[in-house]
Amino acid sequence: KAGVTQTPRYLIKTRGQQVTLSCSPISGHRSVSWYQQTPGQGLQFLFEYFSETQRNKGNFPGRFSGRQFSNSRSEMNVSTLELGDSALYLCASSDTSGRAYEQYFGPGTRLTVT
Amino acid sequence: DAKTTQPNSMESNEEEPVHLPCNHSTISGTDYIHWYRQLPSQGPEYVIHGLTSNVNNRMASLAIAEDRKSSTLILHRATLRDAAVYYCILSPYGKLIFGQGTELSVKP
Repeated sequence: KAGVTQTPRYLIKTRGQQVTLSCSPISGHRSVSWYQQTPGQGLQFLFEYFSETQRNKGNFPGRFSGRQFSNSRSEMNVSTLELGDSALYLCASSDTSGRAYEQYFGPGTRLTVT
Repeated sequence: DAKTTQPNSMESNEEEPVHLPCNHSTISGTDYIHWYRQLPSQGPEYVIHGLTSNVNNRMASLAIAEDRKSSTLILHRATLRDAAVYYCILSPYGKLIFGQGTELSVKP
């Protein structure tokens, strides 16, 4: 099976712009989670989608949003970019809706805001 | 969200066992204990998870204390490829709250 894919892998944007990142989960996986990784804050949970519904949400401002499509692919959007949004954005997929399950991570999208 | 405490770094010799400790004194009855690792320049990788009983898989073993306030990830024979940051995470659901983790270095 192909792994989790994320596009684009690298992105440079300017403050104030918006950006959309894409994640294709492993075939058959219905849950997609998003994380932000920075040197200062480490890995932080953004949100999780399951069957097109947001099921969990982290402590990020409303500028961060996401959605999931019927084929389980997911996008996350960041509006009005700030310098502090520069980070590695990771997507993870899973095949269950249970209470504990393995998450498979993609390689990430490296976003640089200038 | 319950908190975990791990040493910042540990060293191991190649082909020796490694015991990575994690303290989680505020764990609740519904929290699963997850371990993930992140190799340099890669996304995190699932290692193992458990609730109450010790668990084994092809990658590692997870030993959980009887009171569940601590756990230990055991790599039976460390290889150079095991050099990574290891995260111990508590979660009742799929939401993973990562701490700072333990950076494991493996010496040849």
